[in-house]
Amino acid sequence: DQQVKQNSPSLSVQEGRISILNCDYTNSMFDYFLWYKKYPAEGPTFLISISSIKDKNEDGRFTVFLNKSAKHLSLHIVPSQPGDSAVYFCAASQYNFNKFYFGSGTKLNVKP
Amino acid sequence: GAVVSQHPSWVICKSGTSVKIECRSLDFQATTMFWYRQFPKQSLMLMATSNEGSKATYEQGVEKDKFLINHASLTLSTLTVTSAHPEDSSFYICSARLGGGGNQPQHFGDGTRLSIL
Repeated sequence: DQQVKQNSPSLSVQEGRISILNCDYTNSMFDYFLWYKKYPAEGPTFLISISSIKDKNEDGRFTVFLNKSAKHLSLHIVPSQPGDSAVYFCAASQYNFNKFYFGSGTKLNVKP
Repeated sequence: GAVVSQHPSWVICKSGTSVKIECRSLDFQATTMFWYRQFPKQSLMLMATSNEGSKATYEQGVEKDKFLINHASLTLSTLTVTSAHPEDSSFYICSARLGGGGNQPQHFGDGTRLSIL
């Protein structure tokens, strides 16, 4: 029973354009959401997070949007750069609960 | 920022060998560490939650006697794969979370690729 889903296994975007990565979740008790970036043979790197009291959080080129009614979050990368090419995982958890639930990842390829 | 170090990064060994993987939080104390396993092109699968000074909490389907976890200090957790077999070959990743409660991200080590011949 996968509680966090990333339905697009891959995404290809031209350099300079916007990359939009999507994530859906099923558990309405989740209130903390994160995005991680992962290169091959490395551990995931924390990118950005958002709590359920917000619907948007921005950090430089990265913005995460949360739509609680739709149980959907997205990561926008603007402008996309070739160095952004990696696998992106979304994750969710409940407040003060240790367990994070991860999606299956979306491989982003930014073409020069 | 927070750094988690994992060692070794790559292990190749014979079937039947036991392998120990270390996970250290370098600049913060971690009361809780996590062990994940990742199969190719799949998500991170949480194996167990390691709690300093107490027993680890294992996820359903994970064999406690097969994957021994020890969290003896606030900066070190170890995962020992006992009597490893080829089906245990995988990418193992640890993470740690700052204490203090509330919403905190997990910070990951670089992972250990385990190959059992």
